Amino acid sequence: TQTVSQSDAHVTVFEGDSVELRCNYSYGGSIYLSWYIQHHGRGLQFLLKYYSGNPVVQGVNGFEAEFSKSDSSFHLRKASVHWSDSAVYFCAVSYTGYQNFYFGKGTSLTVIP
Amino acid sequence: GGIITQTPKFLIGQEGQKLTLKCQQNFNHDTMYWYRQDSGKGLRLIYYSITENDLQKGDLSEGYDASREKKSSFSLTVTSAQKNEMAVFLCASSIRGSDYTFGSGTRLLVI
Repeated sequence: TQTVSQSDAHVTVFEGDSVELRCNYSYGGSIYLSWYIQHHGRGLQFLLKYYSGNPVVQGVNGFEAEFSKSDSSFHLRKASVHWSDSAVYFCAVSYTGYQNFYFGKGTSLTVIP
Repeated sequence: GGIITQTPKFLIGQEGQKLTLKCQQNFNHDTMYWYRQDSGKGLRLIYYSITENDLQKGDLSEGYDASREKKSSFSLTVTSAQKNEMAVFLCASSIRGSDYTFGSGTRLLVI
């Protein structure tokens, strides 16, 4: 079964803190990984992606993620969060040529001003 | 810039009713998707379509029909609404090898 898991349903930090949102996937050969953000009442917006090359990928608004084959992980990080980063973050994985992504259950990030 | 539009934004239906959700995109994307989002369960794929008149079942296709009559539009039908059902249906589109662009969703409540 091809799955993606996000172990933390909720994460709460203070503004200016660093944060790491975790994502693990079941390994299946060629893999495409993405992170999306969903603000309340909105659709999902793309943050960043990885397919090959440098395992650390940069996204919008200071987000980055690191791919680890040994850990089957693709964790999302930000060095200093802002209150506007409060949202739900989804990790997504595709094993079929960058389409038909499986999404995790999401991690709700709350940033306290 | 393009836009992906879902209609209606809110849908209240009755048990057993057939309900249709619509999605339009002007990105000229080939592939379109319907996902269902339930609280605590993430997104689950219902149907997707890689081109006009193509339909592919996702993991959650039972109880749904879909239609891709034009490249720019993708409709989803709930064939028989279940009482107390409450979910958000998200439409997305993409070209092969690119990221998804999502609509803002249709919120369904069945009474």
